[in-house]
Amino acid sequence: KAGVTQTPRYLIKTRGQQVTLSCSPISGHRSVSWYQQTPGQGLQFLFEYFSETQRNKGNFPGRFSGRQFSNSRSEMNVSTLELGDSALYLCASRILAGSYNEQFFGPGTRLTVL
Amino acid sequence: GENVEQHPSTLSVQEGDSAVIKCTYSDSASNYFPWYKQELGKRPQLIIDIRSNVGEKKDQRIAVTLNKTAKHFSLHITETQPEDSAVYFCAAFSPFSGGGADGLTFGKGTHLIIQP
Repeated sequence: KAGVTQTPRYLIKTRGQQVTLSCSPISGHRSVSWYQQTPGQGLQFLFEYFSETQRNKGNFPGRFSGRQFSNSRSEMNVSTLELGDSALYLCASRILAGSYNEQFFGPGTRLTVL
Repeated sequence: GENVEQHPSTLSVQEGDSAVIKCTYSDSASNYFPWYKQELGKRPQLIIDIRSNVGEKKDQRIAVTLNKTAKHFSLHITETQPEDSAVYFCAAFSPFSGGGADGLTFGKGTHLIIQP
């Protein structure tokens, strides 16, 4: 079974631009979560999608948004990029939401904002 | 919401010695505690987990202990080897509680360095 995949793996943008990241979960997994990872801050939760609905959201500004499609693939969008948005963005999938089951991470997208 | 504190942020041990990483959590309803290992340039991967109805779990050289009363849990690695060098994250899962959705809250990570 293929693992969680993310595209692109690396991205360089300039301040003020917007970016869209994509995540394809493991086949059969319906929940996709997004995290921002920066040195010293660990894994900060952005949001979780399940059955095309956002069911949980972390403390990030409205510039960060996401969506999920009927095939469970998810996209994350960041508008009006700031230097501080430079980070590794990880997505993770699990079978269901509402009860705990192992969360599998993708390889991440490294975003650099210049 | 849940808050997870993890200590230390950096831990350096001699190869062959033991390493212990500690985490505390705030939500007494949290019932599942996974540990993830992230090697340099790689994705986090689950190495061991424990549910709230168990006090200790062991898998070869790694073990996790949970004290529900004190709301803390720890990762123990014995006979450390160079390949144990990585960043380790603890996490706590809070179940759905009516007012909000469930989810995992991560600690900030511990950079474990194994000195040869």
